[in-house]
Amino acid sequence: DTGVSQDPRHKITKRGQNVTFRCDPISEHNRLYWYRQTLGQGPEFLTYFQNEAQLEKSRLLSDRFSAERPKGSFSTLEIQRTEQGDSAMYLCASSPLDTEAFFGQGTRLTVV
Amino acid sequence: AQSVSQHNHHVILSEAASLELGCNYSYGGTVNLFWYVQYPGQHLQLLLKYFSGDPLVKGIKGFEAEFIKSKFSFNLRKPSVQWSDTAEYFCAVNEPGNTGKLIFGQGTTLQVKP
Repeated sequence: DTGVSQDPRHKITKRGQNVTFRCDPISEHNRLYWYRQTLGQGPEFLTYFQNEAQLEKSRLLSDRFSAERPKGSFSTLEIQRTEQGDSAMYLCASSPLDTEAFFGQGTRLTVV
Repeated sequence: AQSVSQHNHHVILSEAASLELGCNYSYGGTVNLFWYVQYPGQHLQLLLKYFSGDPLVKGIKGFEAEFIKSKFSFNLRKPSVQWSDTAEYFCAVNEPGNTGKLIFGQGTTLQVKP
């Protein structure tokens, strides 16, 4: 499968714990995006990388959230000191320059 | 800020019925427009897109959408739905030549009864 891959698919964590998600984009896609989706809503943009540079962050991305794409390939999204409000589906997408985005299956986070 | 509005949150149709899902966006400049579909348990997939040219766009699985600039609309249509079209449908926009980030509508859940 050469699509966007996300790991893990599901994560249950206790409030206050840190979690890290990984995204492997389609190879040679310059752009990588993170979105968050809650029940009954469309995905909301969190952050965007072009190659290894993080070029935009949403106001939704609090200080507890950090994302990296160290070598311009895979990316990680870390949430520190998780809160129940962080429970959501975290989606990763990648694209070549200025065309449609291809989405992964997402990581469903449940904070208990 | 851009926003996208999808008028119908939940639509129930019988097989062979015609489908039209509404989508309006708020941005006044040039936009790229998309419809994505999410089948149960699967990832978001592109149904169709409009970047420029003919405002009537044909996508996969018999879907089409019409861009009406004066109405800021990009409605999705299918003449005859099938049970397998049961899914969630999202309209999205972005600004060409910019970051490519998508602004999504809330989504419409389509349930097709056999």
